[in-house]
Amino acid sequence: DAKTTQPPSMDCAEGRAANLPCNHSTISGNEYVYWYRQIHSQGPQYIIHGLKNNETNEMASLIITEDRKSSTLILPHATLRDTAVYYCIVRVGGTGGFKTIFGAGTRLFVKA
Amino acid sequence: NAGVTQTPKFQVLKTGQSMTLQCAQDMNHEYMSWYRQDPGMGLRLIHYSVGAGITDQGEVPNGYNVSRSTTEDFPLRLLSAAPSQTSVYFCASSSPSGAGANVLTFGAGSRLTVL
Repeated sequence: DAKTTQPPSMDCAEGRAANLPCNHSTISGNEYVYWYRQIHSQGPQYIIHGLKNNETNEMASLIITEDRKSSTLILPHATLRDTAVYYCIVRVGGTGGFKTIFGAGTRLFVKA
Repeated sequence: NAGVTQTPKFQVLKTGQSMTLQCAQDMNHEYMSWYRQDPGMGLRLIHYSVGAGITDQGEVPNGYNVSRSTTEDFPLRLLSAAPSQTSVYFCASSSPSGAGANVLTFGAGSRLTVL
């Protein structure tokens, strides 16, 4: 699986959009981008994933560049409860996606 | 639908003792994995399985054994606990097909302290 690079930490004001970047310059054509978050010491929680098109769900939006070498997770209106560590992962789709390696992630602090 | 269930939630061991962390999922997922997370660190993959009877090593397998006799269960065994194995352990499962293909579902974690 391709490696990812994320900033170690970011701040965001409550109510503003949080934009979390991820670099995955060595991504292969059959690899998807997944985002998870971990609040305090809970188990990581799935947020969103995509292959090459932008995606949106009730939690967030995922913007993937046209060359697929980077992506941005957008939390449109961050709240204090969004303070967490956010992990960007690339993983082969289908039956090849049996193994997931996590990096260090980005620690997002949402401030009042 | 319970998802992924881990037991125990907390455990204290003495150096040299053995124990098994249990993980069970009720989603009929083919893939299961064990991770450990040390304080302030990310998750590291210990072992994983792609189906009953098939397991393989992850990034940090030393000191741990696994087996997968059924689709639902994936226990993690510590044969001789060491203080370096003090950590929070997470079990996860996923399926390679369907709308949520390869989306990991995690358990709540098992916090292990080795004295």
